[in-house]
Amino acid sequence: EAQVTQNPRYLITVTGKKLTVTCSQNMNHEYMSWYRQDPGLGLRQIYYSMNVEVTDKGDVPEGYKVSRKEKRNFPLILESPSPNQTSLYFCASSGQGSYEQYFGPGTRLTVT
Amino acid sequence: SQQGEEDPQALSIQEGENATMNCSYKTSINNLQWYRQNSGRGLVHLILIRSNEREKHSGRLRVTLDTSKKSSSLLITASRAADTASYFCATDLTNTNAGKSTFGDGTTLTVKP
Repeated sequence: EAQVTQNPRYLITVTGKKLTVTCSQNMNHEYMSWYRQDPGLGLRQIYYSMNVEVTDKGDVPEGYKVSRKEKRNFPLILESPSPNQTSLYFCASSGQGSYEQYFGPGTRLTVT
Repeated sequence: SQQGEEDPQALSIQEGENATMNCSYKTSINNLQWYRQNSGRGLVHLILIRSNEREKHSGRLRVTLDTSKKSSSLLITASRAADTASYFCATDLTNTNAGKSTFGDGTTLTVKP
């Protein structure tokens, strides 16, 4: 089954404790993205990747890092999480020439 | 501010009625997409319309695009309770890297049985 998976689905952590949210897709897609969703603000793109080792900033990259060492994986790293990063995070992927994005189920992160 | 802005923010209708939601954007686009999100879940792609297209249909969905007004509308005909969800437009801008997408704030649709 074609899918995008994210782990963990729920995470409660404390300020400053480094964390990684994993994202994996099994569709051999070139493009992958991370979004955060906050009430009243819609979805905002954090980072995106066009292929292995090629990434670029989205609209709200501050406080986040990403890497794309393998085509199927695109982890989101929060080196020093802060409470304003409490949000619902989505990973998405799409294939070359297709703008249709497939979304993961989301990761609900709370930073206290 | 966001590239795409949906209108209205919330819409409540009776089952069987049509639902229309609108999206406006600010700069030139390659294409515009509509997505659906059931409460707190991942978004699901509904339909894509390219900048050189004016109308597109998919089942009970009809999307129009007016590039002169920088706006799009999504019409859901004969709505069902299962259509209750949030709907988002997303634009892929010209003169930016492929992969860069901008979503609007969404319209929350409630269809009453």
